[in-house]
Amino acid sequence: GAGVSQSPRYKVAKRGQDVALRCDPISGHVSLFWYQQALGQGPEFLTYFQNEAQLDKSGLPSDRFFAERPEGSVSTLKIQRTQQEDSAVYLCASSLGGGIGANVLTFGAGSRLTVL
Amino acid sequence: TQLLEQSPQFLSIQEGENLTVYCNSSSVFSSLQWYRQEPGEGPVLLVTVVTGGEVKKLKRLTFQFGDARKDSSLHITAAQPGDTGLYLCAGVETDSWGKLQFGAGTQVVVTP
Repeated sequence: GAGVSQSPRYKVAKRGQDVALRCDPISGHVSLFWYQQALGQGPEFLTYFQNEAQLDKSGLPSDRFFAERPEGSVSTLKIQRTQQEDSAVYLCASSLGGGIGANVLTFGAGSRLTVL
Repeated sequence: TQLLEQSPQFLSIQEGENLTVYCNSSSVFSSLQWYRQEPGEGPVLLVTVVTGGEVKKLKRLTFQFGDARKDSSLHITAAQPGDTGLYLCAGVETDSWGKLQFGAGTQVVVTP
């Protein structure tokens, strides 16, 4: 597609529920990133994929967070047993990857998660 | 935890005025990027500065990278209401694959 598409745009979950957030990157983009943006803050890195390989997951806050990109295209961020502190906008970004292209990220509009 | 500090946090000015936003860090970055984010949208890349001391101009926006590659500034001349938004700086770590460290952002409001 022309841009990075994320769904759902808004998700309200009760504490303890599991949620899954989807990201469709730009076609042909090798690199895919997930960021978490709390209210009033800048985005914080969660995890990075190069094709289907998850090369860095150092930013995932706990083992309740899991991300996958099985075919090197669409990615899913799953949060198990959601907590109120998980409330945030989850941003997905993709890039061509490699060389200077690695740093040219296109972000999606984000998925806003509210945990009650 | 934000390694990049942005100031001010909030800036409200009248149309036609100038403004400067600052981004400071104790870390050295291989490059630094500026983004603008509007409500309900993801950040949009404005510019990447790579070389210490580099100055880039994008119409009424002027971006500068500090000599030591630790700080940067964004100057807007004759601001317009369309410049309203959250301005984010992001440092690219040396030899990284694109991992960004973002500041908390500066909210700019330009009123007619």
